[in-house]
Amino acid sequence: NAGVMQNPRHLVRRRGQEARLRCSPMKGHSHVYWYRQLPEEGLKFMVYLQKENIIDESGMPKERFSAEFPKEGPSILRIQQVVRGDSAAYFCASSPGSSTGENYGYTFGSGTRLTVV
Amino acid sequence: KQEVTQIPAALSVPEGENLVLNCSFTDSAIYNLQWFRQDPGKGLTSLLLIQSSQREQTSGRLNASLDKSSGRSTLYIAASQPGDSATYLCAVRPNSNYQLIWGAGTKLIIKP
Repeated sequence: NAGVMQNPRHLVRRRGQEARLRCSPMKGHSHVYWYRQLPEEGLKFMVYLQKENIIDESGMPKERFSAEFPKEGPSILRIQQVVRGDSAAYFCASSPGSSTGENYGYTFGSGTRLTVV
Repeated sequence: KQEVTQIPAALSVPEGENLVLNCSFTDSAIYNLQWFRQDPGKGLTSLLLIQSSQREQTSGRLNASLDKSSGRSTLYIAASQPGDSATYLCAVRPNSNYQLIWGAGTKLIIKP
């Protein structure tokens, strides 16, 4: 019973390139959340997705960032034209239930550490 | 607006000591509170989840308490070991919301 799987673990991109981060939720989980941890800072919510739906992207920068969770396959966080300030650890979590009314904890993946050079 | 604070930011103690990490939050309307461990360059490991109706949870040498009315949680680590060295993060899930609100963490070093 694999946990939340994220890949790659480490990603190096030059300024201006695109970064694609993948997240496969735990088996039976249909809700995915992305968080970003900037160096020496706490984690911040980015986006919440269900299969084929973006539920809340209020934490996503308005430009260059996008996320999807297709019917088949992992959730993808895409960062276009990366800049040095995008360097951070990106964590994905999954949960089994709906967004409200259910009292569950979150299971996190190991994260993807993006370095922009 | 919910804010989560963890004190101290860093802690270094000799092996074998019992220790307490603190987490405070400003809004008592929460679903639950979760303690995580993060090792350098690694992911987040969930340690304990306390529901809003619970007062404490225990797992091995770890015990977490929750006092909603005062907006506080503590993580108690008994008989600390060098392998406990890590950053400990507290995260609150507000009522009717799925977003976790995180503290900045306590960096713990256990000296052999």
